[in-house]
Amino acid sequence: GAGVSQSPSNKVTEKGKDVELRCDPISGHTALYWYRQSLGQGLEFLIYFQGNSAPDKSGLPSDRFSAERTGGSVSTLTIQRTQQEDSAVYLCASSLNPTSITGELFFGEGSRLTVL
Amino acid sequence: AQTVTQSQPEMSVQEAETVTLSCTYDTSESDYYLFWYKQPPSRQMILVIRQEAYKQQNATENRFSVNFQKAAKSFSLKISDSQLGDAAMYFCAYKGGPTRANSKLTFGKGITLSVRP
Repeated sequence: GAGVSQSPSNKVTEKGKDVELRCDPISGHTALYWYRQSLGQGLEFLIYFQGNSAPDKSGLPSDRFSAERTGGSVSTLTIQRTQQEDSAVYLCASSLNPTSITGELFFGEGSRLTVL
Repeated sequence: AQTVTQSQPEMSVQEAETVTLSCTYDTSESDYYLFWYKQPPSRQMILVIRQEAYKQQNATENRFSVNFQKAAKSFSLKISDSQLGDAAMYFCAYKGGPTRANSKLTFGKGITLSVRP
């Protein structure tokens, strides 16, 4: 597609359930990022994938959060045993050349997660 | 660790007027990049402008310009001739120099800009 695609756009779930959020980056972009945007907060870095390198998981808030990227393209962010504090907008971004000034991040429209 | 601070949560500007959004950051690095992103109600973040720390000249993109003060670690965004479509949340962001470890952006908390007709 022309841009970063995320699904679902909105997700309402019950506390304790698992959820999966999907990100389809721009074709050819080797770098993929997940960020979390909570109300009144900035964007919180979660995880970063670059090519075949080991992902940078330093931002994952707990072991309930995990992410994978299959075939260097589509990524899935999984949240197990969701808690109310997980409610946020989860933003995915991709980049063609992440280490340079021209390595602009292209964002999707995000997945809004509401945990009841 | 690098931090980005946007101390103004909200600002308002009259259409056609000029507004300046403030941002400060903290880093021990000498080579880095700074960005302003816009997030309209659609939630999709859009790059507004970027600045390389080693460049003394302030970046300009049409009605958008920055005032980059490296010694003061300040990076403000000036929007001239404000338009209704400029109403959005604006995020200041920092990225370290060109190594893999520095490839992620650190964002401020954002500022909500409203434009009065």
